[in-house]
Amino acid sequence: GAVVSQHPSWVICKSGTSVKIECRSLDFQATTMFWYRQFPKQSLMLMATSNEGSKATYEQGVEKDKFLINHASLTLSTLTVTSAHPEDSSFYICSAGTGREQETQYFGPGTRLLVL
Amino acid sequence: GQNIDQPTEMTATEGAIVQINCTYQTSGFNGLFWYQQHAGEAPTFLSYNVLDGLEEKGRFSSFLSRSKGYSYLLLKELQMKDSASYLCAVMDSNYQLIWGAGTKLIIKP
Repeated sequence: GAVVSQHPSWVICKSGTSVKIECRSLDFQATTMFWYRQFPKQSLMLMATSNEGSKATYEQGVEKDKFLINHASLTLSTLTVTSAHPEDSSFYICSAGTGREQETQYFGPGTRLLVL
Repeated sequence: GQNIDQPTEMTATEGAIVQINCTYQTSGFNGLFWYQQHAGEAPTFLSYNVLDGLEEKGRFSSFLSRSKGYSYLLLKELQMKDSASYLCAVMDSNYQLIWGAGTKLIIKP
């Protein structure tokens, strides 16, 4: 149980385009989903927390207009990187939990984004 | 401020035992997690401790001392596939996960 999928796993795009990444909880309802970014050889950096049906909570320094998050259902959250630039190239990972306190986060496989 | 400390890198021999330490200073405590992350992959959950003591799960064990702000992950009978980064994360009083930078474990034959 507790499987989280992400799509796509790999994306290459031109600078200035927008990229949408999907995160799905396959066998449980995820009240809360988290989006992380990880640069090579660095730790996970939390970008935002999204709760189903409400606006995402962004971490300090993360531009909410650039990284649009939608958590429309209990099994799907999307992250859209708008007007992507080469510095946005990174490994984007989502995780999901049921929203209960002290809940384990289960991670998706990640999406590697390369902006040319 | 909130802080999680763990060694940057460790090396161990196949078949041996290794202990990865994690110390933390957070605003509140609602549990400590250990995750394994292979290069280029997302983290996978290993263990969760919220009470003091040792939790054993197969070859992996995790220990917690809340009074000392200290945890360790113990890996026994090391295998080459255990080469990975091991991430320590603490859930604070707001139920937010605070992540350590990870410990890269290198296993040598």
